[in-house]
Amino acid sequence: GENVEQHPSTLSVQEGDSAVIKCTYSDSASNYFPWYKQELGKRPQLIIDIRSNVGEKKDQRIAVTLNKTAKHFSLHITETQPEDSAVYFCAASVFGNEKLTFGTGTRLTIIP
Amino acid sequence: DTGVSQDPRHKITKRGQNVTFRCDPISEHNRLYWYRQTLGQGPEFLTYFQNEAQLEKSRLLSDRFSAERPKGSFSTLEIQRTEQGDSAMYLCASSSTRAMRGDGYTFGSGTRLTVV
Repeated sequence: GENVEQHPSTLSVQEGDSAVIKCTYSDSASNYFPWYKQELGKRPQLIIDIRSNVGEKKDQRIAVTLNKTAKHFSLHITETQPEDSAVYFCAASVFGNEKLTFGTGTRLTIIP
Repeated sequence: DTGVSQDPRHKITKRGQNVTFRCDPISEHNRLYWYRQTLGQGPEFLTYFQNEAQLEKSRLLSDRFSAERPKGSFSTLEIQRTEQGDSAMYLCASSSTRAMRGDGYTFGSGTRLTVV
């Protein structure tokens, strides 16, 4: 089955700096890659996603890039703010299969 | 109907007891998923339904676990003879077939199970 690895497990950045989280996946059939943000004690919330027919997608301060050849995708957060502090999960989905396989998460801390 | 509802939010049970959780998806969503999340890990897929049909079950879902969605609306997840290893957050999510696979997943707030 699909295996998703995520790095780093923790990340601390100064407010205003950029943060990058990277994920790799194993199944070349995967074609959908969402990113979720989970604050302590709350539900995972979708913040951005990308499909395999594009290489990059941006939404304000958040962007995701996908390299299908290398089977990795990354989340980029620019101009970080304290409210960006949370655990971020990447995930991958195989076409025709409804389940998401999640990475192990990155705890992002924004230092004021 | 503003989101996916799960009940209860917290459940403490003694080892060996049975527990049942309920999930009410977004009303127009015909797909419903159950995931389990342990501390420091990402959610792990357990099972999913399209309408009332259970279409896939993970090998994580042992014989002690059973899920139903009898009328294609709410779903229940039952764990029989609970073990301490069952302690986790059980997350429900729903989506619509009108969305591309995996799109539009909306998670509930989860049921945190503690087996003592």
